[in-house]
Amino acid sequence: DAKTTQPTSMDCAEGRAANLPCNHSTISGNEYVYWYRQIHSQGPQYIIHGLKNNETNEMASLIITEDRKSSTLILPHATLRDTAVYYCIVRVGDKIIFGKGTRLHILP
Amino acid sequence: SQTIHQWPATLVQPVGSPLSLECTVEGTSNPNLYWYRQAAGRGLQLLFYSVGIGQISSEVPQNLSASRPQDRQFILSSKKLLLSDSGFYLCAWSVPLEQFFGPGTRLTVL
Repeated sequence: DAKTTQPTSMDCAEGRAANLPCNHSTISGNEYVYWYRQIHSQGPQYIIHGLKNNETNEMASLIITEDRKSSTLILPHATLRDTAVYYCIVRVGDKIIFGKGTRLHILP
Repeated sequence: SQTIHQWPATLVQPVGSPLSLECTVEGTSNPNLYWYRQAAGRGLQLLFYSVGIGQISSEVPQNLSASRPQDRQFILSSKKLLLSDSGFYLCAWSVPLEQFFGPGTRLTVL
């Protein structure tokens, strides 16, 4: 079973920041949090990952709470092309299990 | 750079026919390899993963099997397809801290 829970869907206005939450209350100290997204009919695309510290790359920022029990993926300026299902994953050893993800709708 | 190949891109097979989907990875050594299936409108289901040649872990009991004859080759097979085997099959590879997916094979069983 996936170790994460996410809202089923979210809406965000184009040009605004999209903040996608994820709960991972059973995460262990050495387990990383990963974010992927899947645009319709394509394979998942890696976005970002983190352990304890907040992370930022050209796609997004990842904010991890101090207790590591939850995190937020931030797309700073959402565009219509960001419409996708976003998956938050806690990697448990060699197994990488996807939950149901959040379907993000970007509204024009 | 690392590349992952899957073929065929699409496949239509009759119920009861055999299946063989192949995945190969370039540009990395000793990766972990994964097969996922995504039914229409559903999430990704982990089917098999492999941490080395000949080492296969099965996550879901079913009529599918997997083999890893070479370090960078992962094969998904079935002796007799079921209607419920229809879906989008994705191969992925990972090394510590990174995982990347192939383009997928869309299988329709009629």
